[in-house]
Amino acid sequence: DIQMTQSPSSLSASVGDRVTITCRASQYIDSYLNWYQQKPGKAPKLLIYAASNFQSGVPSRFSGSGSGTDFTLTISSLQPEDFATYYCQQSYNIPRTFGQGTKLQIK
Amino acid sequence: QVQLVQSGAEVKKPGASVRVSCEASGYSFISYGLDWVRQAPGQGLEWVGWISAYDGKTKYTQKLQGRVTVTTDTSTSTAYMEVRSLRSDDTAVYYCARGGVDASGGYYFDYWGQGTLVTVSS
Repeated sequence: DIQMTQSPSSLSASVGDRVTITCRASQYIDSYLNWYQQKPGKAPKLLIYAASNFQSGVPSRFSGSGSGTDFTLTISSLQPEDFATYYCQQSYNIPRTFGQGTKLQIK
Repeated sequence: QVQLVQSGAEVKKPGASVRVSCEASGYSFISYGLDWVRQAPGQGLEWVGWISAYDGKTKYTQKLQGRVTVTTDTSTSTAYMEVRSLRSDDTAVYYCARGGVDASGGYYFDYWGQGTLVTVSS
């Protein structure tokens, strides 16, 4: 199975900050990397697919980059509604594994 | 609009079975795959399995191989996930998610059900 490792596991930041979350795959996954946002008690929401493509309706302050094994999710200017847990997920092969999550908290 | 509506919470004893349903609407059911993802309390997301709504092909996580079965009823646009021989560590919220495919063949979960809590307790 492909292991996905996110860093950091948790992060404290303020409204307006620029934040970057990284995701590393244990083997090559091309650009088959997706990012999700999850708020407490809610289902995850797709933000970015294929490493850098915006899902419809996602604010432009979210961006994704990377290919191969190393990927990043950047939020350019944090808004109050962005405090949540973020997961990366690879779709290169099955099982479709997730990172362990990055919890973004208000400083 | 696309919607996935799951069945309600379940409480089961160890060794029992549970079946969770996921009713899809707002799109052509057989044109997409459906995956199941679970989340134990306070934990991260874990992929459980996938079914092609077109031809019924399935894939499962090795962790649950032999205990989980995913099926579809195309006449009602509903997917089902059954887990047998339940254990306490199967306690989780189970989500169904529609599988989108991009031009390069990438696969992603673009719509999710609301989740179904399955509690396994004696």
